[in-house]
Amino acid sequence: EVQLVESGGGLVKPGGSLRLSCAASGFTFSTYGMNWVRQAPGKGLEWVSFISSDSSYKYYADSVKGRFTISRDNAKNSLYLQMNSLRAEDTAVYYCTTRSGPGEILDYWGQGTLVTVSS
Amino acid sequence: DIQMTQSPSSVSASVGDRVTVTCRASQGISSYLAWYQHKPGKAPKLLIYAASSLQSGVPSRFSGSGSGTDFTLTISSLQPEDFATYFCQQANSFPLTFGGGTKVEI
Repeated sequence: EVQLVESGGGLVKPGGSLRLSCAASGFTFSTYGMNWVRQAPGKGLEWVSFISSDSSYKYYADSVKGRFTISRDNAKNSLYLQMNSLRAEDTAVYYCTTRSGPGEILDYWGQGTLVTVSS
Repeated sequence: DIQMTQSPSSVSASVGDRVTVTCRASQGISSYLAWYQHKPGKAPKLLIYAASSLQSGVPSRFSGSGSGTDFTLTISSLQPEDFATYFCQQANSFPLTFGGGTKVEI
């Protein structure tokens, strides 16, 4: 059974940093591209970032480019999101997802971790 | 970026009803369209991919159609467990974008 478990969320002040983790199990992590997607309170879903299976490709939403960094450790079956220069508008539940084809399908999701940016 | 416009934003329905949700892309995306179900506090769940392909394990009362710019999700006979929010997502290109969501409620 595919499992994705996010962790690392919490309360942080504007301008602060946070590192999210996603522990994957139940599938061959090293062969899957992965994404981070977020949902702000009362809002819809927003894609944040993608990383290819071998980390050779990384894409970011304009809203986080230059502030967030996606990475992965295939030996540890883990995905990460380093978030710097956090803003109030980054407050959201952050989900990690697998990526499958055709196209960019988000076929499995974790239950999310809440990030709150507030003074 | 490809904008996804989803309607309605909410729908009131009863068990057994047929429910239809539409999604329109700002430019053609062929059949690169997915639908997800999201319940509060739970992980979103993939229902339909490639516009009309049912994800494994998803009940056959869910169906999708469309190509190009106009897409539809249909629930043929609403069940109690189907009350949730539904999102479309264009899977054609980055940045991936979602519709605003449709809340199906009693």
